[in-house]
Amino acid sequence: DAKTTQPTSMDCAEGRAANLPCNHSTISGNEYVYWYRQIHSQGPQYIIHGLKNNETNEMASLIITEDRKSSTLILPHATLRDTAVYYCIVRVYSGGGADGLTFGKGTHLIIQP
Amino acid sequence: DAGVIQSPRHEVTEMGQEVTLRCKPISGHDYLFWYRQTMMRGLELLIYFNNNVPIDDSGMPEDRFSAKMPNASFSTLKIQPSEPRDSAVYFCASSFQNNEQFFGPGTRLTVL
Repeated sequence: DAKTTQPTSMDCAEGRAANLPCNHSTISGNEYVYWYRQIHSQGPQYIIHGLKNNETNEMASLIITEDRKSSTLILPHATLRDTAVYYCIVRVYSGGGADGLTFGKGTHLIIQP
Repeated sequence: DAGVIQSPRHEVTEMGQEVTLRCKPISGHDYLFWYRQTMMRGLELLIYFNNNVPIDDSGMPEDRFSAKMPNASFSTLKIQPSEPRDSAVYFCASSFQNNEQFFGPGTRLTVL
């Protein structure tokens, strides 16, 4: 899987939008961008994924640049419960098959009251 | 659904003892993954199964580690003999095909 680069930590005020960047300059054409987060003492939790179009679900929005070399995860109205480590992962989507996730160090997002 | 279930949640054992970690995946999921998390190495994939068959065990650190999946609703990760450096949080995850992986709460293992 392509390597990703994320800031080590970020702060965001409660109620504001949290924008988490991720660089994946060596991404291949068949690789998707996935985001997971891990709240302290819990297992990782899936957030969203995308290939090249922007995606939105009930948790977040994912903005992928046109050249696909970077992306931004947006939490529109951050709450204290969004404090967690956020992992950006690039992986091949192989149709019906699956493989394990390769986690980097992620970004520790701290929501300030 | 109750989600992925792992047991025990905490395990403290002495060096040299056998440790067995258990996982019940989400019903209907055909993939099961075992991960380990430490401060030094972060989250690492150990092994994963598809339809109860091990597909990739290249992440298993050494022969002291073994994993089985006797049926679609149960998997074990065994360490024998255990060593202090095996202390970590072990996560089990499951997915249906290549969809998102659902993680369990983890087992915190401490080897004294």
